[in-house]
Amino acid sequence: GAGVSQSPRYKVAKRGQDVALRCDPISGHVSLFWYQQALGQGPEFLTYFQNEAQLDKSGLPSDRFFAERPEGSVSTLKIQRTQQEDSAVYLCASSLGRSSPLHFGNGTRLTVT
Amino acid sequence: AQKVTQAQTEISVVEKEDVTLDCVYETRDTTYYLFWYKQPPSGELVFLIRRNSFDEQNEISGRYSWNFQKSTSSFNFTITASQVVDSAVYFCALSEGKDDMRFGAGTRLTVKP
Repeated sequence: GAGVSQSPRYKVAKRGQDVALRCDPISGHVSLFWYQQALGQGPEFLTYFQNEAQLDKSGLPSDRFFAERPEGSVSTLKIQRTQQEDSAVYLCASSLGRSSPLHFGNGTRLTVT
Repeated sequence: AQKVTQAQTEISVVEKEDVTLDCVYETRDTTYYLFWYKQPPSGELVFLIRRNSFDEQNEISGRYSWNFQKSTSSFNFTITASQVVDSAVYFCALSEGKDDMRFGAGTRLTVKP
């Protein structure tokens, strides 16, 4: 497809489990962002990649969160030892570059029980 | 520190009314970009407009218009003759020297028939 694809759409994890969320950006988009959106809130920045380089990870809430984009295309957001406060929608977005409009995926809704 | 403030949490109007969504931003950069995104009930964020800091011209696109005023650090969004399909959460966002984009908390607009 032509848009940003995220999988899975829904993920239920038991507290303490590790999860991996995948993002397949639009082909040719060098910039890739991850955001966390809690219910009724705006997207909160987590991390940013330019190609395979992670240029900003200042928004990752703890060292349990890890993101990678090894070949400059698909990205994975990993959350280790999930906690209930990690429950949110995780949004991936890609763009052509600096300050270009973001194209968002449908998100992955993570529920930690 | 909150860089984008959308003071209106929820707005409800009746179809065909005009409605303005407020956005106030904070930055020390001279070069920056402002955005509006729409998040309909389906959940996917959709890009509406981008404005750079050097272009204060107002913009009109159909029933949508945007008023950018650097003197008051505001980038307000007006929908004229609102329709039920305009019901969504609207986010204002700011992109500064770094490439990451920061979002406001959003304004939930409900347009009643």
